[in-house]
Amino acid sequence: NAGVTQTPKFQVLKTGQSMTLQCAQDMNHNSMYWYRQDPGMGLRLIYYSASEGTTDKGEVPNGYNVSRLNKREFSLRLESAAPSQTSVYFCASSEARGFSDTQYFGPGTRLTVL
Amino acid sequence: QKEVEQNSGPLSVPEGAIASLNCTYSDRGSQSFFWYRQYSGKSPELIMSIYSNGDKEDGRFTAQLNKASQYVSLLIRDSQPSDSATYLCAVTNNNDMRFGAGTRLTVKP
Repeated sequence: NAGVTQTPKFQVLKTGQSMTLQCAQDMNHNSMYWYRQDPGMGLRLIYYSASEGTTDKGEVPNGYNVSRLNKREFSLRLESAAPSQTSVYFCASSEARGFSDTQYFGPGTRLTVL
Repeated sequence: QKEVEQNSGPLSVPEGAIASLNCTYSDRGSQSFFWYRQYSGKSPELIMSIYSNGDKEDGRFTAQLNKASQYVSLLIRDSQPSDSATYLCAVTNNNDMRFGAGTRLTVKP
């Protein structure tokens, strides 16, 4: 069991470029989440998906889009990257639909936007 | 605005001592409460979850919840240098999860 995997591990973009962060889980979990973590601010929820085919906005969705491709995969897209999106991005999954259950985190993607 | 507040630390305790980490939250509708540990450069991992008022013990860890005071805490007994990490408090309702900024704990040998 790999758990939650994320690609890439590191990425440097120029302002205005686009990219997609990939996330996959092999635990047959229903819910998947994208967070960003900035120094001194903790984790903030960007988007989540309580089940295949559904997505909902979190606390900081502006500038991002998501796709729940199937039960295993949940991708995060930056259409036009901005320096304010420099952060560490974590994907997570949980068995329950919603937020009542333990979330398991991937290793993170460190993104720098110049 | 739903807030989760933690003392950022650093909190420094000697090896073998009790470390006490505190968290307050603003949303009275919060239903589930979690403590995650995050080592530097790594991803968060669950330490404890608690859903009802009172204490919950798991090995050296005890979580305490007081919904009336909107307060949740984590006690680490017999602290070890390997407990040195940032501890994140997370609070959820049906629609959202909010994390505190974390408390950095250092356990000195």
